[in-house]
Amino acid sequence: QKEVEQNSGPLSVPEGAIASLNCTYSDRGSQSFFWYRQYSGKSPELIMFIYSNGDKEDGRFTAQLNKASQYVSLLIRDSQPSDSATYLCAVKVGNAGNMLTFGGGTRLMVKP
Amino acid sequence: DGGITQSPKYLFRKEGQNVTLSCEQNLNHDAMYWYRQDPGQGLRLIYYSQIVNDFQKGDIAEGYSVSREKKESFPLTVTSAQKNPTAFYLCASSADHSGNTIYFGEGSWLTVV
Repeated sequence: QKEVEQNSGPLSVPEGAIASLNCTYSDRGSQSFFWYRQYSGKSPELIMFIYSNGDKEDGRFTAQLNKASQYVSLLIRDSQPSDSATYLCAVKVGNAGNMLTFGGGTRLMVKP
Repeated sequence: DGGITQSPKYLFRKEGQNVTLSCEQNLNHDAMYWYRQDPGQGLRLIYYSQIVNDFQKGDIAEGYSVSREKKESFPLTVTSAQKNPTAFYLCASSADHSGNTIYFGEGSWLTVV
């Protein structure tokens, strides 16, 4: 079983809609959760991180964490064509030093 | 400007050759990492270093070697023992040992010819 799982997509949403990206993880000792955006051929950029259960909002982005169910999600409101990219979920496991474990990523396509 | 510089951006390797990818950071970060990404896949950790003169193997260290002689530099050598080296290689760093907020360089594309 992979430690961090994401649906590879593509997830297609119309411009202006809400895009919902999901990630599940297997290690209950996981402490920190990160969302990165990666455009084709480029390096990942950090969008946001979350440590506590609940929601964390930053502009059009909202990260949601549910440790009991072991999932973390990213909502993108008012999706724009420029949001089209691969979104990587990363998890820091408590006993793994400072290493992040990445999911395979979900490809998002926002259609005008 | 502060950041992480990887070079070269594109590299071609012949069968049986060793190649070295450079990674330099001027962010004064203690920890540095090397990840490998295959097309359409996530990132897999090759090696990481929390402090100068110390480094640990990640999930896929076989066929790779690193050194950390200076805080700013963490070069990765892809040896001939790595049978399938064609991939996108990403260097990253973080400010402290907690690993919070890892920043990536621009990446290096390695192709075997």
